[in-house]
Amino acid sequence: DTGVSQDPRHKITKRGQNVTFRCDPISEHNRLYWYRQTLGQGPEFLTYFQNEAQLEKSRLLSDRFSAERPKGSFSTLEIQRTEQGDSAMYLCASSRQRGGRGIGNTIYFGEGSWLTVV
Amino acid sequence: DQQVKQNSPSLSVQEGRISILNCDYTNSMFDYFLWYKKYPAEGPTFLISISSIKDKNEDGRFTVFLNKSAKHLSLHIVPSQPGDSAVYFCAASVSGNTPLVFGKGTRLSVIA
Repeated sequence: DTGVSQDPRHKITKRGQNVTFRCDPISEHNRLYWYRQTLGQGPEFLTYFQNEAQLEKSRLLSDRFSAERPKGSFSTLEIQRTEQGDSAMYLCASSRQRGGRGIGNTIYFGEGSWLTVV
Repeated sequence: DQQVKQNSPSLSVQEGRISILNCDYTNSMFDYFLWYKKYPAEGPTFLISISSIKDKNEDGRFTVFLNKSAKHLSLHIVPSQPGDSAVYFCAASVSGNTPLVFGKGTRLSVIA
C-alpha cells in the first residue's frame, strides 16, 4: 500500500497526558499537512511542511501542539497536556508540489487518527 | 469566517437519479477547487478537481461546474448509486499552492 499511513488509528488518553501521532506520506511527496476534524465540521487546517520546513501554522495550533518532519520524510504531531476539547480525528495528507504553481497537485489523505480524551 | 460554505447539511436522492451538491466561496483569490468524499471513520478520498481556467470538468459519473462570477461550484453525480452515500466536502485553495480550506460537508444518502 503506497498511500498516506497514520499511526495509531485510535488513541484513548486521560486528560493531562501527552500523545503523539505519526504520519508517513506518499513516497516522494514533498508536502505534508495536518488537519483536524470534529463531528459535523470539515477538516480544519493545522500546519504543513514542505520537505522538513514548517511553512505555516494555524491559530488553531496552540502551544500545546507541536509538529515535526525531520529529514522531510515522516511527521509527528504531539499534543501535550491533552484536554477534552482535543478529542477529534487528526488527519494527515500529502502532495507533490512542482514549482510555485500547484494547479493539479492533489492532496491525498490518510485514514486518520482518532483521539479521545477522557 | 467560513470561506467555503456548503449550506445543505444533507441530501437524499433516489438511486439512478442525479445528485447535485452545492458549494459557495467568499475568497476571490481561490482558483483551485476540489471535491472529496468521506465515509465514517475514514479519511477523505479525492474525487474531482477544477481550476478557475475551466468552468466544467468531468470524470465518469462525476462532473464539477464552476461559476466564478457567482463564486459557486457544484458537483453532479449521474446516475447516483447507493455506494455514493457518504459525506462530500468541497475544498479550495489559491493556485493549488496554499493549504486547502474545506466546507462543513453535505451528507448524501442514495436510496435504493
